[in-house]
Amino acid sequence: QKEVEQNSGPLSVPEGAIASLNCTYSDRGSQSFFWYRQYSGKSPELIMSIYSNGDKEDGRFTAQLNKASQYVSLLIRDSQPSDSATYLCAVYNFGNEKLTFGTGTRLTIIP
Amino acid sequence: DTEVTQTPKHLVMGMTNKKSLKCEQHMGHRAMYWYKQKAKKPPELMFVYSYEKLSINESVPSRFSPECPNSSLLNLHLHALQPEDSALYLCASSQDGGDGNTIYFGEGSWLTVV
Repeated sequence: QKEVEQNSGPLSVPEGAIASLNCTYSDRGSQSFFWYRQYSGKSPELIMSIYSNGDKEDGRFTAQLNKASQYVSLLIRDSQPSDSATYLCAVYNFGNEKLTFGTGTRLTIIP
Repeated sequence: DTEVTQTPKHLVMGMTNKKSLKCEQHMGHRAMYWYKQKAKKPPELMFVYSYEKLSINESVPSRFSPECPNSSLLNLHLHALQPEDSALYLCASSQDGGDGNTIYFGEGSWLTVV
C-alpha cells in the first residue's frame, strides 16, 4: 500500500462547477496535511493546510480532514480554467520530519 | 512570490563536471530540504537539514552532497552525475510553530545532464 494515495486522473470538470479531489494516507502518526498546486514546469505552490478534523475554508477552496478514516479532500468551488493543474496531497509526520507526497491528480477545467 | 530563492534556474552539465545548486531562504526557518522531481512524478525527499543536523534519504547516491554554510543557506553539490539525474531540483524550508510546519518550495532548478 502506498503511503499517500490519490486518483491520478485526469479529472475533467466544467467551468463554474465544483472540483473534488481526494487523498488517503496510511500512517496514523501523520499530523499535518497539505494540498499543493503544481502547474506544468513549475514548482509546487501551497494552497491549503489542515491539521484538525473537519473543514477549513479559504476563498474558493475547502479542505476536509477525517483522521479516523485517514482521508483528506480538497473542494474547489466555481472552478476556473486557471485551476487546471496537478494537485499534490502531502502528509507530514513530526516524528521523522518527513513530508510524503501522493502521486498527484491532474485536474482540467473545461471552459 | 516565494521567499525561497534557488540558483541557477537552469543548469546543463556534463557527466564529468562539478557544479552546485544554491538555495537561500529569507523567512528565518529552522529546516531546509532538497527534493528531486522527475516528470509526472511527485517530489522525492533527498536531504533535510534541521537544527544543525543533516538527515539523508539513504537511496540518494553519493554523487549528490549537501552543504549548509548557515541556517539560511543549503547548497547541493553535484559531481559525476548521470543522465538519469536530469530532473527538477526543489529546495524548500519550514518553521515549526502555529502553522504546523508548513513547507514552502522555491521555484526549482532544472538540471540536464548530458
